[in-house]
Amino acid sequence: AQSVTQLDSHVSVSEGTPVLLRCNYSSSYSPSLFWYVQHPNKGLQLLLKYTSAATLVKGINGFEAEFKKSETSFHLTKPSAHMSDAAEYFCVVSEGGTYKYIFGTGTRLKVLA
Amino acid sequence: NAGVTQTPKFQVLKTGQSMTLQCAQDMNHNSMYWYRQDPGMGLRLIYYSASEGTTDKGEVPNGYNVSRLNKREFSLRLESAAPSQTSVYFCASSEALRQRGVGETQYFGPGTRLLVL
Repeated sequence: AQSVTQLDSHVSVSEGTPVLLRCNYSSSYSPSLFWYVQHPNKGLQLLLKYTSAATLVKGINGFEAEFKKSETSFHLTKPSAHMSDAAEYFCVVSEGGTYKYIFGTGTRLKVLA
Repeated sequence: NAGVTQTPKFQVLKTGQSMTLQCAQDMNHNSMYWYRQDPGMGLRLIYYSASEGTTDKGEVPNGYNVSRLNKREFSLRLESAAPSQTSVYFCASSEALRQRGVGETQYFGPGTRLLVL
């Protein structure tokens, strides 16, 4: 069965410093993995996704994530945080050929001035 | 191109009342989904519709019914609302090309906030 664990419920960083949001997954088959961002009172927007092509995936707004099969991880990073990055971030796993997506519990990112 | 739209944006119900949440997409997507979002629990799938004319239960279907009215519209009905159904409800859609092993991007609506007293 699929599952997703986001290791931190809250992360605080100073503006201009690196961001690391951690995600571990469990999947019986080759998974597809996603990161979505949700700004306050908004819907979810796709940041990036991994679908068994390159293991380093680049997304919007300077975010990227690396798929590490040996560690079953898909951590989200950004070299320099911006105030506008403050939001909640969700890691999502989907197994190929299914219509079911499993969401992590979310990581709320706070960016300090 | 509005993407995924949901109505209403906010609703207050009394226990036992019924209501229908509406969702429509204009991207010609085949698959549509209903999720609920509760604090600390991420999003949980209520029902989904893989294609027009089909619907299937997700993780938390109890107390809900759905209708895939046509390719564009997918509604969620609460027949007898309960306080436990207080939540934010999101509708999503995906193209559903069904390439084997490839996960598809889901596109989300802005959500409906439901309060059941």
